This record gives sequence, structure tokens and C-alpha cells, in this order.
Amino acid sequence: EVQLVESGGGLVQPGGSLRLSCAASGFTFSSYWMSWVRQAPGKGLEWVANIKQDGSEKYYVDSVKGRFTISRDNAKNSLYLQMNSLRAEDTAVYYCARDPPAAGGYSYGYFDYWGQGTLVTVSS
Amino acid sequence: EIVMTQSPATLSVSPGERATLSCRASQSVSSNLAWYQQKPGQAPRLLIYGASTRATGIPARFSGSGSGTEFTLTISSLQSEDFAVYYCQQYNNWPQGTFGQGTKVEIK
Repeated sequence: EVQLVESGGGLVQPGGSLRLSCAASGFTFSSYWMSWVRQAPGKGLEWVANIKQDGSEKYYVDSVKGRFTISRDNAKNSLYLQMNSLRAEDTAVYYCARDPPAAGGYSYGYFDYWGQGTLVTVSS
Repeated sequence: EIVMTQSPATLSVSPGERATLSCRASQSVSSNLAWYQQKPGQAPRLLIYGASTRATGIPARFSGSGSGTEFTLTISSLQSEDFAVYYCQQYNNWPQGTFGQGTKVEIK
């Protein structure tokens, strides 16, 4: 059974940092692109970042470029999101999600499994 | 950025009735369109990808259609567990996939 379990959320002041983790199990983690997707309270979904199977390629939504860093440790079956210079508008539930593989070593871009999410609140 | 617009925002349907949800893209996304279901306090669940292919374990009462800029999710006979928010997502503009704002399906 595919499982994705996020952790690391919490309350942080504007300008602060937080590191989210996602523990994966039930599939060959190193064979998949992985993503972070967020959802502000009462709002819709927003893709945040993704990372290639070997970590060699990473992509970000414009609003987090230069502030967030996605990474992974395939030996630990874990995905991470380092969030710096946090803003109030980063307040959201952050989901870890699996990207099914497509041809050419890329992913399709939709998400077939999601974790339960971890809440990040940026407030003074 | 490709903007996805869903309609209606809220759909009131009686159990057993048919529900039709719409999703429009600001430019063509070919068939690179997915649908998700989200219940309160839960993560989204993939229902449809490739505009019309049901994901693993999704009941046949869920069907997707469309291509280009106009897409539809149909739930043929609503069950109690189907009352939820539904999101469409385009992934044609990889990796910048974008979601619609959601349609809430509520009990009439």
C-alpha cells in the first residue's frame, strides 16, 4: 500500500524557516518524481515544487523561487521542503504527492497518491 | 499561466441523481486534464487522468470527457460518499500544473 506521511508543520513567524518532511512507503520511491502541493485555508490547490527521481532537476512555482528548496533522500525514502523567508501567504496545508512517470524520464504532472498533509501557519 | 475555471461553484444534487461538473481552460491543454475529489479534512484523491481514464479503484459511475479547453466530469448516480469538492487540474504546461477553484457537490 502506497503511503505518504508528512511532518514538520507548525506555527512560525514571518521571515522564519521551517523544514517539511515526507516519509514514503509501499512503492519504489527512487523511481518517481515527487511534488509538494499546498492548499491555503478554505482555498484551492497550488502546485509548489517537484523533483526528479535522482534529484538532478527541480522546479518551483514562481511565488516560492529563491525561498523554498525541495530535496530528497532515496536511501531514506524521504522528500523534504526547506522553506525560508516565510510569508503570511505561505500559510497552508502542504501535501506531499507522487508524480506518475512519463516517457523521457519526466512525470505526467498529475498526482496519483497524496499524503494527509501538514499545516504551516505563518503569523506573528 | 493556464487558468482553469470550474462551474458551477456549488452544485446541489439529490442522491441517485446525475451530476455534471464543468472545467474550462484558458488555452488548449489537449487531454492533459485530471479530476480530484476532496472531502473535508482529507487529501485530494485522483479520480480521472488523461481527461477520461479512471484511476485505480474509481467506480464506473465517475466519467470524464472533453479535450482542448472544455472538460466535463459526470457522476452518473450520486452516492452519499460522493458529496465533496471536485477539482480539475491541467498538466499540459508541465511542470506548472494549475488547478481550478473547485466545485462543491452538496446534498439537495
